[in-house]
Amino acid sequence: DTEVTQTPKHLVMGMTNKKSLKCEQHMGHRAMYWYKQKAKKPPELMFVYSYEKLSINESVPSRFSPECPNSSLLNLHLHALQPEDSALYLCASSPQLGGLTDTQYFGPGTRLTVL
Amino acid sequence: KQEVTQIPAALSVPEGENLVLNCSFTDSAIYNLQWFRQDPGKGLTSLLLIQSSQREQTSGRLNASLDKSSGRSTLYIAASQPGDSATYLCAVNFGGNEKLTFGTGTRLTIIP
Repeated sequence: DTEVTQTPKHLVMGMTNKKSLKCEQHMGHRAMYWYKQKAKKPPELMFVYSYEKLSINESVPSRFSPECPNSSLLNLHLHALQPEDSALYLCASSPQLGGLTDTQYFGPGTRLTVL
Repeated sequence: KQEVTQIPAALSVPEGENLVLNCSFTDSAIYNLQWFRQDPGKGLTSLLLIQSSQREQTSGRLNASLDKSSGRSTLYIAASQPGDSATYLCAVNFGGNEKLTFGTGTRLTIIP
């Protein structure tokens, strides 16, 4: 199984809502990532988890709260978002951090619209 | 500042032609470089990864080269097909850490 799954595929939420994005992989990977991608732009790294511990937070606003409950699962909790947060949110995983030959495997993304 | 650039932003070629996509980067001390493909509204699919010690990698009709001294990588696609139409992203791992620096991509259209 070389797949990263993400749910939901689409999400529409108001600025006062609380929602969560979910990402799952069963490849035994120990590094997991959240990216944000705006239209016609490359992905921007948000968070990195290594062995279920937060390794990198790219100065992301606190209205985005990541969580890694176990080695296969990564969540992104959303609260009080702004319309400019509308984007495609991508999850990725890799065998470990800093592996010379380790590529990142991406999920299909969650298309988020904030009204 | 470590940057990755891809030119052109868009490219259209007739089906069956061979083509080259370009990627340039500002720091030659790279760890590895990857080429990804992204279909509209979808996630990224890894195509090829080149380690800093390698000069090229091949997978089927794809060949990626790396020239660290000039700060360039190319992705060669042979005998292009309409299914190759997508955005191609180059991503560089500069520091041997977990962060990839992405180029802005080249949107490729293969004309049947």
